[in-house]
Amino acid sequence: EAGVTQFPSHSVIEKGQTVTLRCDPISGHDNLYWYRRVMGKEIKFLLHFVKESKQDESGMPNNRFLAERTGGTYSTLKVQPAELEDSGVYFCASSRGGVAGSYEQYFGPGTRLTVT
Amino acid sequence: GNSVTQMEGPVTLSEEAFLTINCTYTATGYPSLFWYVQYPGEGLQLLLKATKADDKGSNKGFEATYRKETTSFHLEKGSVQVSDSAVYFCALKFTGNQFYFGTGTSLTVIP
Repeated sequence: EAGVTQFPSHSVIEKGQTVTLRCDPISGHDNLYWYRRVMGKEIKFLLHFVKESKQDESGMPNNRFLAERTGGTYSTLKVQPAELEDSGVYFCASSRGGVAGSYEQYFGPGTRLTVT
Repeated sequence: GNSVTQMEGPVTLSEEAFLTINCTYTATGYPSLFWYVQYPGEGLQLLLKATKADDKGSNKGFEATYRKETTSFHLEKGSVQVSDSAVYFCALKFTGNQFYFGTGTSLTVIP
């Protein structure tokens, strides 16, 4: 069984540009989460999808960030326009359906975003 | 609020040395506690967990005990190996909600 995959592994963009990160969860996992680790700081929750619906987006930092999960499969996280403070590693995780907290979250390798 | 504080790194140890990575938490309620590990180039992997006070999680020689009285979940291993070099994250979670992670502790084990 394939794990959670993320693309790209690394992205370098200039301030003001747009970047789209992609996450493919484990097949059949209804829950999908996005997290971010800014350099040297803790990994912070961004949002949680259950299938195609946003269950909790309380961690999204501002309206420059837009997450989608059309069809309830893969998810994209778009940053537009990117700012310097958006640099960090963006992790995606997925877990099976049911009571979300009952199941282990499997994490992807992360996308390292560098905004210059 | 909910938060996790773990010891700052980086930590460098010789092979077969004893490892302790301190982790304390603040939580509104009784969360489950976790240690995740990230090996170079890989995603976060669950190392061990404990779901209630006095539970001990263990895996691959690592152990951590859920201490409610000291709000701690320190990670220990009696004899580290070079292959244990990684970044270790302490985290708490309530059922149905997201993780709250610490800042991560980088461990390097030298032969």
